[in-house]
Amino acid sequence: DSGVTQTPKHLITATGQRVTLRCSPRSGDLSVYWYQQSLDQGLQFLIQYYNGEERAKGNILERFSAQQFPDLHSELNLSSLELGDSALYFCASSVGAGLGEQFFGPGTRLTVL
Amino acid sequence: QQQVKQSPQSLIVQKGGISIINCAYENTAFDYFPWYQQFPGKGPALLIAIRPDVSEKKEGRFTISFNKSAKQFSLHIMDSQPGDSATYFCAARSSGSARQLTFGSGTQLTVLP
Repeated sequence: DSGVTQTPKHLITATGQRVTLRCSPRSGDLSVYWYQQSLDQGLQFLIQYYNGEERAKGNILERFSAQQFPDLHSELNLSSLELGDSALYFCASSVGAGLGEQFFGPGTRLTVL
Repeated sequence: QQQVKQSPQSLIVQKGGISIINCAYENTAFDYFPWYQQFPGKGPALLIAIRPDVSEKKEGRFTISFNKSAKQFSLHIMDSQPGDSATYFCAARSSGSARQLTFGSGTQLTVLP
C-alpha cells in the first residue's frame, strides 16, 4: 500500500457526461500528479500540483481540469466525455515539487459508454 | 525529444533465468531514471532508480545498467521468479522546473515456473 488513496475505484458513465476523480496524497506529501494509462498511449502525465498551485502541465485536454485543495487532496474533472477517454487514471504524490520518489495510488478505471 | 523507447513489448523467461528490458532516450536534460513495476489492478510501484552519474546500480536481484553516451539504460532481473511476472515501465525525469516523469511503453514479463 503506497499510502495514496483514490476514489472511486471504478466509474462507468456515458458520452457527454462529466465526472470527478479524487485523490488523497500520502501524509506529508505536497505534490500531486495525475496520469492517464490507456492501452494505446501508455502512461501519460497530465498535470502536477504542488501545495495548491499548478506546477506542470502535460498532455491534458482542455476538457480536463484539476485542482488541489488546502488539505492537499486533489480532484481531476473530466467533462464532455468521449469513448476515447476510457482509461485508468492514476494519482501519484511526492514530498517535494519534483524531486524524490513518486508514490502511485491504485487508480480509477473510467469506462465511457 | 521527450520520448522514452522501451523494448521488448513482452518477455517470457524461465524461472531462474535473467530478464533484460531495455530503454533509450533522446533528451539529455533527463536526470533521473526510475523503473516501475505494475501488477494487474495496481498502480505502478518504484522498483529501482539511477542517476546519470552512475553506470550501474544493484538492489538484490534487480540491476540497472546505464550508458550515458549511448543514452540507454536497462533493467536486469537475475534469478527471475514467477512472482516477478508483471509489467515493467522505465521512466525518465526532466531536470527543468516541471520534473514530470516520461514513461516507456511497458514490458509485460512472464516468468514460467
